[in-house]
Amino acid sequence: NAGVMQNPRHLVRRRGQEARLRCSPVKGHSHVYWYRQLPEEGLKFMVYLQKENIIDESGMPKERFSAEFPKEGPSILRIQQVVRGDSAAYFCASSPRRQSINEQFFGPGTRLTVL
Amino acid sequence: KQEVTQIPAALSVPEGENLVLNCSFTDSAIYNLQWFRQDPGKGLTSLLLIQSSQREQTSGRLNASLDKSSGRSTLYIAASQPGDSATYLCAGSQGGSEKLVFGKGTKLTVNP
Repeated sequence: NAGVMQNPRHLVRRRGQEARLRCSPVKGHSHVYWYRQLPEEGLKFMVYLQKENIIDESGMPKERFSAEFPKEGPSILRIQQVVRGDSAAYFCASSPRRQSINEQFFGPGTRLTVL
Repeated sequence: KQEVTQIPAALSVPEGENLVLNCSFTDSAIYNLQWFRQDPGKGLTSLLLIQSSQREQTSGRLNASLDKSSGRSTLYIAASQPGDSATYLCAGSQGGSEKLVFGKGTKLTVNP
């Protein structure tokens, strides 16, 4: 039973490049969440998606960041024109949203370093 | 706006000791509260989930409680072991919102 998978695990980009982070949820889970952990900070919510829909993007920066969860394939978090302040660990979580339970299961994270 | 605080930020104990980690939240309308463990450079492992209608949950040597009226949750670890060394995070969600609000964590070191 595979858990949440994220790739790549480590990503290095130069300022101005694009970063694409992928997340495959637990099989059968249709709800995906992205969180960001800045150095010395707690995890912060970014976006919540269901298949083909963005449900809550209240934590996403207004510019350069976008997310999708297509009908087929993994969820993608895309960061355009990266800056040094984007260096962080990005975690994806999924949940089955079974009845009222919303236990979220996290992936290993993608550690983005911007040079 | 929900805010979650964890005290202490770091804790060092000898092996075998029982210990309590504290988590407080500002909005008593919390829906679920989840405790996680994070090892250095790794992802989060879900330890316990307490639904709003519950007061506590137990798993092995771990027991978590939730008191919505006082805005507090505690994670009790019995007979601590060096393998318990990690950062422990608590996170709460509110009714109608799927997002988890995290504390900054308590870094636990259990010394052999």
